[in-house]
Amino acid sequence: AQKVTQAQTEISVVEKEDVTLDCVYETRDTTYYLFWYKQPPSGELVFLIRRNSFDEQNEISGRYSWNFQKSTSSFNFTITASQVVDSAVYFCARSETFQGAQKLVFGQGTRLTINP
Amino acid sequence: NAGVTQTPKFRVLKTGQSMTLLCAQDMNHEYMYWYRQDPGMGLRLIHYSVGEGTTAKGEVPDGYNVSRLKKQNFLLGLESAAPSQTSVYFCASSLGTAKNIQYFGAGTRLSVL
Repeated sequence: AQKVTQAQTEISVVEKEDVTLDCVYETRDTTYYLFWYKQPPSGELVFLIRRNSFDEQNEISGRYSWNFQKSTSSFNFTITASQVVDSAVYFCARSETFQGAQKLVFGQGTRLTINP
Repeated sequence: NAGVTQTPKFRVLKTGQSMTLLCAQDMNHEYMYWYRQDPGMGLRLIHYSVGEGTTAKGEVPDGYNVSRLKKQNFLLGLESAAPSQTSVYFCASSLGTAKNIQYFGAGTRLSVL
């Protein structure tokens, strides 16, 4: 299986620090999509961003930014000036064709704790 | 706007008991999925459906069955629960192509004793 790897199992920082969550993926596909999801303590999975493999422009949304580098198969997520509400488990995922259908391959998740 | 709704939210079973998890979506999505989430393993695909009346096996289908009799509903069944099926189960739906976002339900926490 072509994996998605989030090497950081847990990260703990103090509020207002910047933090980067790493994501590295494997794929044989030329076209694919990358995603980040947030799972807050309440448990639901919340979609954050989708990136097309042909679009390597970085994206910024408020305090969140994403750095996609196809050459290193990485799609890292940075939170600037972190806040306690950012505490959650974050999942990186990649689309994959599976038996003719589309599915997501998830990384193991990174548990981010923002301390006041 | 309900999105994806899962019932029940919590359940405790004894080994050998059976149960059905219900997933309902109101977005008219073609694709529906069942995942399980275990510590340190991310989400793994159990079964999926590409449309009403169709189902297919995912990565970890053993011990589970599914049905998609109506487009908006996707049922996950455990015929004889085992402790290894203790997990958090998530249902998701999407329009179907690679670019489409999967929208998730709130999850069902299942414990098998």
